Order: sequence, then structure tokens, then C-alpha cells
Amino acid sequence: GESVGLHLPTLSVQEGDNSIINCAYSNSASDYFIWYKQESGKGPQFIIDIRSNMDKRQGQRVTVLLNKTVKHLSLQIAATQPGDSAVYFCAENSGYSTLTFGKGTMLLVSP
Amino acid sequence: GAVVSQHPSWVICKSGTSVKIECRSLDFQATTMFWYRQFPKQSLMLMATSNEGSKATYEQGVEKDKFLINHASLTLSTLTVTSAHPEDSSFYICSASNWGGRGKETQYFGPGTRLLVL
Repeated sequence: GESVGLHLPTLSVQEGDNSIINCAYSNSASDYFIWYKQESGKGPQFIIDIRSNMDKRQGQRVTVLLNKTVKHLSLQIAATQPGDSAVYFCAENSGYSTLTFGKGTMLLVSP
Repeated sequence: GAVVSQHPSWVICKSGTSVKIECRSLDFQATTMFWYRQFPKQSLMLMATSNEGSKATYEQGVEKDKFLINHASLTLSTLTVTSAHPEDSSFYICSASNWGGRGKETQYFGPGTRLLVL
């Protein structure tokens, strides 16, 4: 079946830098995408979502970009802080209630 | 809003015993709840989808007789791991869909339950 994948398993940045986490999806029928943050030993935390009729959506310090042409999704975190260190998952929905999760990217923020 | 709780947060049990995990949506009604398991450094694997008042839909490869799911109300779903064995040790996470929020596709996750079977 089709799946969501991530390019970078680990991303290391310095505190204050901007972080970009990428996600490639292959299901062209997917019309809704979510980014989750998961800290060690905890459940995933909703960060931001975007529907396929949008290219960009901004939240607090986070921006999600969607490029439907190349089936690419990215999460940008501005002024990354040590508290942003976690594993980030993208998830896609193709019209049903279930989500398909990517493999995850670990973000490591150094002070 | 959209808070989901799980209980217990961790459990250690002997092989052969059954373990029940509760998932509650605290501030919204969840017509659909989901159960996932996650192994270390891996992504979430959907086990089953649970709709209130009906039987759960299990993913391929998940034994429905081993992982019993009950969704008795709009705020509570339970997962019972029957006759647990060491290979069932994992991190079990539930999520709930909030019909009154962003839409049925958005899932809000509980904090997870760490199960260790000795």
C-alpha cells in the first residue's frame, strides 16, 4: 500500500536556529495532513494540520507547507528551543477516519 | 480542549495474565477511538478502530481475540490484552476523534501505557 515517509531520521540544530522537518507522501488521494510531536515516553501531541486546498498554514512558531505537485510536506519551527527536542511525525488522511503515520524524525536541539 | 487520558500509565504483569487499559476523552465526545502500539524508536502502528456502540475494526495481523476492545460510551474505550506474553510488551497509545473540533480526521492522543510482561 501507499505510505508516508521521511527523508531525515535525525536533525540536529542549535538553539535559536530555524528547523525544517520534511515528509514525502505517496497517496495522491490524501487530503488532510497533521504534524505531531512526541516526547520520550509520552503520546503524540497535535501541532498543526493542513488540508489539501491550502499550500501553507501558520501557527505559533510553526509553519506547515504542502506541495501537492511533488507530494511533499514540511514543518518549519522558528527559533528552535531545547523544549522542541522530540520525535516529529507527519500523518496523512485519505478520506477515511484513519491516519497513516510516517516513520518520524528526531529533532535534537543543542543549547 | 481535546484532552485524552489513559490509565494506567504503566503496568508490569506476569505472563499469562490479562491487562486492561482505559482510554477516556475528558472534554469532548469521541465517536471514534483508535488503539496503537509503538515499539522503541518506531512509528505508531494502528491496531484497531473503535466506534461507540459497535464492534471494533482490527488491522490486518492484529488478533481480535487477544486484544479485546470495548467502546461502551462516547468518552471511554478499553483495550484488554488477554493472556499477555513478553512479546506483547510495548507502548500502547489511544487516540480519539473530536467531532466538534477540526473534524473527524484529527486525532488527539492519550499519554500512552507502558506494558511490560515478565
